Amino acid sequence: EAGVAQSPRYKIIEKRQSVAFWCNPISGHATLYWYQQILGQGPKLLIQFQNNGVVDDSQLPKDRFSAERLKGVDSTLKIQPAKLEDSAVYLCASSLMASGDTQYFGPGTRLTVL
Amino acid sequence: DAKTTQPPSMDCAEGRAANLPCNHSTISGNEYVYWYRQIHSQGPQYIIHGLKNNETNEMASLIITEDRKSSTLILPHATLRDTAVYYCIVRLSGGSNYKLTFGKGTLLTVNP
Repeated sequence: EAGVAQSPRYKIIEKRQSVAFWCNPISGHATLYWYQQILGQGPKLLIQFQNNGVVDDSQLPKDRFSAERLKGVDSTLKIQPAKLEDSAVYLCASSLMASGDTQYFGPGTRLTVL
Repeated sequence: DAKTTQPPSMDCAEGRAANLPCNHSTISGNEYVYWYRQIHSQGPQYIIHGLKNNETNEMASLIITEDRKSSTLILPHATLRDTAVYYCIVRLSGGSNYKLTFGKGTLLTVNP
C-alpha cells in the first residue's frame, strides 16, 4: 500500500514570496491533515479536512495561509506572502475516517524562508 | 497545549528494553493515550494506543497505571533504528475532531 506522498521535499524561497505544497493521501482515506513542525518542536495541526470540507482550521494563519482539497483527494497548502517564521517542515497526514483512526504521515516538505 | 509530560531525552543500550514514561495527570475518562515516534527527517509514525488496559503489538507494549495518570511505552529489545523522538499524546475518543496535540516528546538514543 502506497503511503502519503508529498512534494516538493525541500523548498527555499525569499520572504514575501509565495509557495505551495502538495499532498496525496493514502487511497480511500477520507480525512486529511496539514501540520507545521518548527525545529525542536512537535508538529502543530494547521487544518483538518473531512472529504473536501474543513473540520478544523482554528490554528491556520488565514491572512497568509490557505488550503484546499478539491474532489476530496489531493490537497494543496499555500503560503502567500511567506515570512521568516514560516520556516518549518510541513507534514501531511491522512486517516481512513476522523473517528479516532490512526493518522499516517508523509515525509514532509522542509521550507526555508530567507 | 499538550496534556502530557515526558523527559526530554533518554539513552538505552542496544538489545535492552527501553521504558519511556509519560505523565498525563489531567486525562479524562474518554481520552486515549497514543504513542507516535519520529525518526530523523521522517514524518511521525503510529506505535500504539490504549484506554485503560495494557496493550501490546508487534512494535511495543503500553502499560497504563490503574488511575490512568501515567503510562510507559516499552520497546522490548531496542535496536539502533529505534533512535527517534517519541511522543505521548492524549486524544479524545468521540466527536469529529481528532487532532493530535504533540508536545516536544522524548529523544530516545539507542547506543551500540
